[in-house]
Amino acid sequence: DAGVIQSPRHEVTEMGQEVTLRCKPISGHDYLFWYRQTMMRGLELLIYFNNNVPIDDSGMPEDRFSAKMPNASFSTLKIQPSEPRDSAVYFCASSLGRGLRTEAFFGQGTRLTVV
Amino acid sequence: AQSVTQLDSQVPVFEEAPVELRCNYSSSVSVYLFWYVQYPNQGLQLLLKYLSGSTLVESINGFEAEFNKSQTSFHLRKPSVHISDTAEYFCAVIPSSGTYKYIFGTGTRLKVLA
Repeated sequence: DAGVIQSPRHEVTEMGQEVTLRCKPISGHDYLFWYRQTMMRGLELLIYFNNNVPIDDSGMPEDRFSAKMPNASFSTLKIQPSEPRDSAVYFCASSLGRGLRTEAFFGQGTRLTVV
Repeated sequence: AQSVTQLDSQVPVFEEAPVELRCNYSSSVSVYLFWYVQYPNQGLQLLLKYLSGSTLVESINGFEAEFNKSQTSFHLRKPSVHISDTAEYFCAVIPSSGTYKYIFGTGTRLKVLA
C-alpha cells in the first residue's frame, strides 16, 4: 500500500480565500484523523471519522473549518475563509481501529501558508 | 480524559552516548501507549507501541520503552545513538476502550552531536 496520501504538499493562499486539503487513507482502515501541527500548540486533533461518520469534531477551531468523508477512500478539510493564523502543517492519519494494529499511520502533511 | 507530558523539549547528546526521552501520561482508564518519530518535513512514523503483555517493548532500530503503570510513564531509551537518530519524538496515548482519540505530547527534539 502507498500509505496515507495527502495533497497538496504545500499550499500558499491569500487571506480570505477558500482552502481545501485532501486525504486518501490506507485501504481498509476504518478510522481517519485530521491533525494540525504548529510550533505553539504542537499536534492538535481536529476531527476524526469512523466508517466515514464524524465522531468527534471538538477540536475544530471555528466554523470556518469543515471536514467531510464522502466515502472510505477520500476525505477533505476545508477552511473558508482562510486567515494567517491558520498557517500550519495539516496531517491526515488512518487506523484499523483497536486490536494489535491499532497504531495510526500518518501522511506526509500539507504545509499551509496564508498570507 | 487523557494527557501526555514530555518534559524535555530538546535533548542534545553525543553520538554513541545513551539517551532517555521522558514521557508521563495521565488517564483514569487503561491506555495504549506509542512513540512516534518525525524527521524534518515528514509525517510521523510509529517507532514502538505498548498494548499489553510485556512492559518492555523494542523497535527494530535499537530503541526501547518501558511501561511503568505505577509511575504512569513510558520513557524511551537507546543505549547508543547515531547521527541519523536526530529527529523529533512524540509520545502518544489512546484509551483502550471508549473514545478513540490519540493524544500526543508536545514532542522532544533529539539532536545527536558528532
